[in-house]
Amino acid sequence: AQKVTQAQTEISVVEKEDVTLDCVYETRDTTYYLFWYKQPPSGELVFLIRRNSFDEQNEISGRYSWNFQKSTSSFNFTITASQVVDSAVYFCALSNRDDKIIFGKGTRLHILP
Amino acid sequence: DGGITQSPKYLFRKEGQNVTLSCEQNLNHDAMYWYRQDPGQGLRLIYYSQIVNDFQKGDIAEGYSVSREKKESFPLTVTSAQKNPTAFYLCASRGGRSYTFGSGTRLTVV
Repeated sequence: AQKVTQAQTEISVVEKEDVTLDCVYETRDTTYYLFWYKQPPSGELVFLIRRNSFDEQNEISGRYSWNFQKSTSSFNFTITASQVVDSAVYFCALSNRDDKIIFGKGTRLHILP
Repeated sequence: DGGITQSPKYLFRKEGQNVTLSCEQNLNHDAMYWYRQDPGQGLRLIYYSQIVNDFQKGDIAEGYSVSREKKESFPLTVTSAQKNPTAFYLCASRGGRSYTFGSGTRLTVV
């Protein structure tokens, strides 16, 4: 069975603080893809990153960074020096060879000014 | 610009009526998906289609129906059999390993 768990339902931090969103996944496949999406109040899903199961290199994009660890089945997302515009719901997701994408329940992030 | 168009953005219907949500893409993607989002529930897969004239049930297909007569279009009908249809509905398409999402339709049944 496939599953994505985002244990943090809601997080609040003060602007300029760093914040890490946790994601733990389950899959029996050896080939799979992991994603992070941002959902602002308007509702659309904004793609942030895709990582395949064979690439465990961490990635940094501006203030965003991702830590992929197969040993713990985790794909955590860190925002450095958070800003109010980062306030949104963030989803971690998993897809495998059947091409369905399965989402976690999301983490609502509040960045307080 | 290529993308996915969902219409309308807001939809109100009376209980017991069927309603069809539109999803159109001009990305030339073969695969298309419908998701339902409820507060605190994340996104759950309703139906998906890998190719024209073929589709499969997702995790919560009961009370919904779809068609895929054209590559560009994947309409979702919320039938009167769906017990709790009020939700936010998102359509997506897949090209390679990239998924593109529409801006969603918020359906309210009164």
